[in-house]
Amino acid sequence: DSGVTQTPKHLITATGQRVTLRCSPRSGDLSVYWYQQSLDQGLQFLIQYYNGEERAKGNILERFSAQQFPDLHSELNLSSLELGDSALYFCASSVEWNTEAFFGQGTRLTVV
Amino acid sequence: GQNIDQPTEMTATEGAIVQINCTYQTSGFNGLFWYQQHAGEAPTFLSYNVLDGLEEKGRFSSFLSRSKGYSYLLLKELQMKDSASYLCAVRSPLSYSGYALNFGKGTSLLVTP
Repeated sequence: DSGVTQTPKHLITATGQRVTLRCSPRSGDLSVYWYQQSLDQGLQFLIQYYNGEERAKGNILERFSAQQFPDLHSELNLSSLELGDSALYFCASSVEWNTEAFFGQGTRLTVV
Repeated sequence: GQNIDQPTEMTATEGAIVQINCTYQTSGFNGLFWYQQHAGEAPTFLSYNVLDGLEEKGRFSSFLSRSKGYSYLLLKELQMKDSASYLCAVRSPLSYSGYALNFGKGTSLLVTP
């Protein structure tokens, strides 16, 4: 158990809908990262937050947004969902920017 | 841009040694990580290199050459439970204080009896 908690574990929703994925980082970790992993792609970096502020953006679609709250938990919002958004979404956290990241168990999103 | 290459698949025998290579071309470098991922599970941290040379951690060792854009993960005394995907990741700066950890597509290792 890495100490990073993601909910829900599984989510099935229809195209066009909006969902929110939640991540609680390890106690004391200030940095949160979101990743998308689909079958034919590796782990794709989406976005990084540090102590409540957005610090780096990867290949995140405009339909996706995220935020980190004062208690350091983070949420990833996915809207206008398409079939191609079906994937495993991982959250990871680290103490600082220059330390290893620990991953949560992921949320498996299926869009039907 | 970011380009991280690893072999797609490898097979090795229980008890043997296997070396998984990773080459990278990234805009900016701030460290190289290796993660292990079993199917459907979370990646777990194995090793980290930021300076050239070899880092040893039990049965796992990782090597880095920054001038060559090259790293390898060495697994010794292979066990069946080592069958997994091994992910090479490079940390690169994206902003004044933000860093991305960019992953290769992973090497699927099968350990056979």
